Amino acid sequence: GQNIDQPTEMTATEGAIVQINCTYQTSGFNGLFWYQQHAGEAPTFLSYNVLDGLEEKGRFSSFLSRSKGYSYLLLKELQMKDSASYLCAVMDSNYQLIWGAGTKLIIKP
Amino acid sequence: GAVVSQHPSWVICKSGTSVKIECRSLDFQATTMFWYRQFPKQSLMLMATSNEGSKATYEQGVEKDKFLINHASLTLSTLTVTSAHPEDSSFYICSAREGEASPLHFGNGTRLTVT
Repeated sequence: GQNIDQPTEMTATEGAIVQINCTYQTSGFNGLFWYQQHAGEAPTFLSYNVLDGLEEKGRFSSFLSRSKGYSYLLLKELQMKDSASYLCAVMDSNYQLIWGAGTKLIIKP
Repeated sequence: GAVVSQHPSWVICKSGTSVKIECRSLDFQATTMFWYRQFPKQSLMLMATSNEGSKATYEQGVEKDKFLINHASLTLSTLTVTSAHPEDSSFYICSAREGEASPLHFGNGTRLTVT
């Protein structure tokens, strides 16, 4: 079966760095996406990785290792507004998105 | 770019009535749109995949006669919740993508409350 694993919840301190991991087992691979979802709102697109390596976009970076079925989202200089759920999703061989359950990130002052 | 507009943002309706939710891609053409439902503190649940000009593909357990989907153009898909009941109260979110390998872009969601 297809499976995406990510931690349920993480806590970090304002100004610090946090890494949210995601491992996956899917039928084929056409890219991995990270989304941010604030409570009561729709998800917003953060990043897309299809090749191995690190993609940096401001305070957020996303890494992919296809051979290990592994990705992480790195958030630097954490701000209170970064408190949200972070969703990992993999596009399989049929171009269908398989969603992880999301990681709730709690930022403390 | 890649803006998806969803309307209405929230709606309250009486049990037994129908509600239509619109999803528009504003600055791109979306051959495929997706409809999700999310209950409080739960994950996104894909309800159906909507392809322009053809019938929607529903996920297992989703009643196609209750949740009518129409994707009449490359920029518009609608979801109609027919004969709504309180258990249909949820957060409905549409998303669209420009091409197969493109990221999904989400509308702001519609919070439906059925009384």
